[in-house]
Amino acid sequence: DGGITQSPKYLFRKEGQNVTLSCEQNLNHDAMYWYRQDPGQGLRLIYYSQIVNDFQKGDIAEGYSVSREKKESFPLTVTSAQKNPTAFYLCASTQQGASGSYEQYFGPGTRLTVT
Amino acid sequence: SQKIEQNSEALNIQEGKTATLTCNYTNYSPAYLQWYRQDPGRGPVFLLLIRENEKEKRKERLKVTFDTTLKQSLFHITASQPADSATYLCAANNAGNMLTFGGGTRLMVKP
Repeated sequence: DGGITQSPKYLFRKEGQNVTLSCEQNLNHDAMYWYRQDPGQGLRLIYYSQIVNDFQKGDIAEGYSVSREKKESFPLTVTSAQKNPTAFYLCASTQQGASGSYEQYFGPGTRLTVT
Repeated sequence: SQKIEQNSEALNIQEGKTATLTCNYTNYSPAYLQWYRQDPGRGPVFLLLIRENEKEKRKERLKVTFDTTLKQSLFHITASQPADSATYLCAANNAGNMLTFGGGTRLMVKP
């Protein structure tokens, strides 16, 4: 069964704590992405990685960090510096062609609540 | 800045009718647009991609158009069913060749 898994589905944390969201894919895709989705808003890009050991900041990277040590894994850490961390977090992957137009495959998401 | 806009109001239609959703883009000319379906609490699922040199694309009951003059894409679901009820997201490639997503339009198909 190929796909992207994210865990956990729901996560609760106290303010001031760092938390790491897991994302694993077995699609053999090169590129992976992290998005944040707030109610009524579009997906906003946090970080992306097009190859192992390399990643780039997206539009809203402040307060987040990532690593890409393996092709299959792209964990996201929400640090205490992120001012409004409560949101729905989505991980995606794609096998980008030269035109970069390939569809993105999304995981089921992690809903993070920070109180 | 580059923007993708979708109607934030929910679209309510009767089963069997054609649903038409709109996606407008401003301040740039994307090479392609993608449409995704998202069910509550789940990740988006890819439906269709249309390139700037394609006027129309079809897949079963789905049809997408791309009008570069109007800077608009229309997404149609013909013979709509209650199971089509979901939020539909439009996305376009941006200058960095990442995807910029619209806020989505919620479709409710009533039996």
